[in-house]
Amino acid sequence: DQQVKQNSPSLSVQEGRISILNCDYTNSMFDYFLWYKKYPAEGPTFLISISSIKDKNEDGRFTVFLNKSAKHLSLHIVPSQPGDSAVYFCAASGMNRDDKIIFGKGTRLHILP
Amino acid sequence: DAGITQSPRHKVTETGTPVTLRCHQTENHRYMYWYRQDPGHGLRLIHYSYGVKDTDKGEVSDGYSVSRSKTEDFLLTLESATSSQTSVYFCAISVQGPGELFFGEGSRLTVL
Repeated sequence: DQQVKQNSPSLSVQEGRISILNCDYTNSMFDYFLWYKKYPAEGPTFLISISSIKDKNEDGRFTVFLNKSAKHLSLHIVPSQPGDSAVYFCAASGMNRDDKIIFGKGTRLHILP
Repeated sequence: DAGITQSPRHKVTETGTPVTLRCHQTENHRYMYWYRQDPGHGLRLIHYSYGVKDTDKGEVSDGYSVSRSKTEDFLLTLESATSSQTSVYFCAISVQGPGELFFGEGSRLTVL
C-alpha cells in the first residue's frame, strides 16, 4: 500500500506564476516530510523539509505547507522559473536516522515560457 | 562536501547473469541506501545500511542482496538478473537531518 501519494503525474505552469505540487500520506507516524527535485540523468537533490510539529517552512521561492489533520502537504514555488522544470518527489520519514525514507511517485513540472 | 561514486554508470546484461553495483562515498557517513527509479513507481527503497555489516530490507528487496564490509562501500548484487530489474539505481547517503539524503548520479541497468 502506498504510504506517500502524489496523485498528479504532471503539471504545467506559466513562467512567473505559482506552482503548487501536492502530496498525501497515510502513516500518521511520519515525523518529517521532504521535497526532492530531479533533473534528467541526475540524482535527486534535497529541496526543502518540514517537521510534523510545524505547518509551514519557507526557503526563498519555495514554501512547504503541512496539514496534519488532512495528512496533506504541498510545495509552493513562487515565482516559477524555467529552471524549475523537473520531477519533484515528496518523501516522508520518522525522526530517527535509521527510519526508512519513503518516496512518492513524483510529479513532473513543466514551466511554460 | 559529501561525494558519492556509483559504478558502473551504465550496464547491459543478459537474464540470469549476476550483477554487482558499487556505491562509494568519500566520507564516513553511517547510513547508506539503494533505491530504484522506474516510470510510474517513483523511487523505491531496495535495501539500506546503518553501519558496517548492518543492513535491512526496503520495500522491494526480493531478488537483491547487499553487503557493506567497509564504511565507504555499499554493494548491491542481483544474483540472477531478470528483465524486471531493468531500472535506474540510485545510491544515497544520509548527511544531515532525518530524511535528508544526498544521491549519487545513478546506474542505468538494462537486462535483456
